[in-house]
Amino acid sequence: EVQLQESGPGLVKPSQSLSLTCSVTGYSITSNYWGWIRKFPGNKMEWMGYISYSGSTSYNPSLKSRISITRDTSKNQFFLQLNSVTTEDTATYYCARFGSYMDYWGQGVMVTVSS
Amino acid sequence: DIVLTQSPATLSVTPGESVSLSCRASQGISTSIHWYQQKSNESPRLLIKFASQSISGIPSRFSGSGSGTDFTLSINRVESEDFSVYYCQQSYSLPLTFGSGTKLEIK
Repeated sequence: EVQLQESGPGLVKPSQSLSLTCSVTGYSITSNYWGWIRKFPGNKMEWMGYISYSGSTSYNPSLKSRISITRDTSKNQFFLQLNSVTTEDTATYYCARFGSYMDYWGQGVMVTVSS
Repeated sequence: DIVLTQSPATLSVTPGESVSLSCRASQGISTSIHWYQQKSNESPRLLIKFASQSISGIPSRFSGSGSGTDFTLSINRVESEDFSVYYCQQSYSLPLTFGSGTKLEIK
């Protein structure tokens, strides 16, 4: 069974970088696409970006200058880095397996940006 | 970006009723729409892909329809476990976008 698990700090200071890890079991990240979605307080959902089976990436233009998604295929993990965070980046962050739709999701990690 | 407008924002129903949730796209997207259910403190669950295609393990009371700009998620005889938030998502073009959600609540 495909399982995803996010990990990372729950509190980040403004202007710093947010870094999260998604550990995948039951499926290789060298197949399919893998990425990040976040849900803001108030329920708005935003697709952030994904990394493909080959390592190519695609990002939401709203984040393009701040976001990086990378991977470690030896550990079957992929990563999110979001730079220069503000309080508006406070959200629950999910990793997911992508096709045209997201069929497997992590349980989510709540990240608060606050000093 | 393609904007998805879901209506209503909240739908109050009695268990056993049948309901329809709407998702309207700002431009034609063929059948590139997918539906998710999210219960409190859980991650979203895929219900329907490509407007009307069923997903293994999802109860048959959930169905989808539509093409172009107007899409519907139907729940036949709502059960207590169905009270949650429902989202649509389009994959017609990047960036992928989501609707704002419809909350299904108990009347």
